[in-house]
Amino acid sequence: DTAVSQTPKYLVTQMGNDKSIKCEQNLGHDTMYWYKQDSKKFLKIMFSYNNKELIINETVPNRFSPKSPDKAHLNLHINSLELGDSAVYFCASSQTGQGRATQYFGPGTRLLVL
Amino acid sequence: AQSVTQLDSQVPVFEEAPVELRCNYSSSVSVYLFWYVQYPNQGLQLLLKYLSGSTLVESINGFEAEFNKSQTSFHLRKPSVHISDTAEYFCAVSEVQGAQKLVFGQGTRLTINP
Repeated sequence: DTAVSQTPKYLVTQMGNDKSIKCEQNLGHDTMYWYKQDSKKFLKIMFSYNNKELIINETVPNRFSPKSPDKAHLNLHINSLELGDSAVYFCASSQTGQGRATQYFGPGTRLLVL
Repeated sequence: AQSVTQLDSQVPVFEEAPVELRCNYSSSVSVYLFWYVQYPNQGLQLLLKYLSGSTLVESINGFEAEFNKSQTSFHLRKPSVHISDTAEYFCAVSEVQGAQKLVFGQGTRLTINP
């Protein structure tokens, strides 16, 4: 069983389009995250949700809108895609509480904007 | 705010040689420390972590890292590497208190030559 899964794995689209990436975790965790890995492999937090509540929003353009319908799901919708949005997007989850900070990552969604 | 510096962007070594990947961090608060590994075209896998207790932590595949609070370092070592260890290695920190987002270093590309 996959602990953290993402769909789709690959996404190729045209500039200006709107697309969504989905993430699901079956670990029973209460916190989920989106990270972006750029072309130089640098990883940066974008958003985090705890029990469906947004707790981290790291100066990401308004074109990016996360949605968490329940604790096990965190989706990322991107409007008006730009060339610079091309990256690998990773979902992760963890259980909050001292000593339980380990984040587990999904396989990533490779987005290419043409 | 935290920051992580991985001092070497690339480390080439011969098979069965020892290796050390260096990681230094900066933080005004207590942090947890992690090493993640990313094999080519794959997601991030947790390699090992320091949350509390013994400052020397080990992974199941022979890697170890030592938390040195005075030097704010968490270097990763392996006494004898294998071809299959070829990957990108990321050092990361998160706050003990707070939202616990991961702040990553720039990554170190470990290449094992036969």
